[in-house]
Amino acid sequence: DTEVTQTPKHLVMGMTNKKSLKCEQHMGHRAMYWYKQKAKKPPELMFVYSYEKLSINESVPSRFSPECPNSSLLNLHLHALQPEDSALYLCASSQGLAGDTQYFGPGTRLTVL
Amino acid sequence: KQEVTQIPAALSVPEGENLVLNCSFTDSAIYNLQWFRQDPGKGLTSLLLIQSSQREQTSGRLNASLDKSSGRSTLYIAASQPGDSATYLCAVRRSTGFQKLVFGTGTRLLVSP
Repeated sequence: DTEVTQTPKHLVMGMTNKKSLKCEQHMGHRAMYWYKQKAKKPPELMFVYSYEKLSINESVPSRFSPECPNSSLLNLHLHALQPEDSALYLCASSQGLAGDTQYFGPGTRLTVL
Repeated sequence: KQEVTQIPAALSVPEGENLVLNCSFTDSAIYNLQWFRQDPGKGLTSLLLIQSSQREQTSGRLNASLDKSSGRSTLYIAASQPGDSATYLCAVRRSTGFQKLVFGTGTRLLVSP
């Protein structure tokens, strides 16, 4: 099973709302990633978790808060977002950090009103 | 800073044609290079991964080559089909430090019946 799942598929939220994006993989991968992708642009790395610990934060604003409750799950908590945060949010996982193939989920399309 | 460029930005071909997508990168000190496919509004599907010591990789109708010294990779698609229509992204990992994926700008491919 080389599948990464993400929920929800679509999310519309106001600037004062709090919501969460979820990502799950059952491949035994120990590295998980959040990417943000704006329309017609390549994905941009946001966070990297390795062995359930935050390894990389690419200077992401604090209104985005990642969480890795266990080795299979990755959450992205959203609070006080801005309309420019509207994008496709992609989760990925890999066996480790050492150049392994990353497997991507289908993404969550987020719209901030 | 690694920069990855893909040419052409868009390509439209009739079904059955063989085609080549190009990817160039500015820093040849890479660990590996990965080609992805992305359907509109969807996640990324890994197609091929070439290690820096390799010259090419093949999977079905796809063949990817790597010339690290000149900073170039090509993705060759044989006998194109309408189902190949998608955006194709290349991504490189540097050989030192955290091996972050740096994505190219993408090529939007349309194969018409």
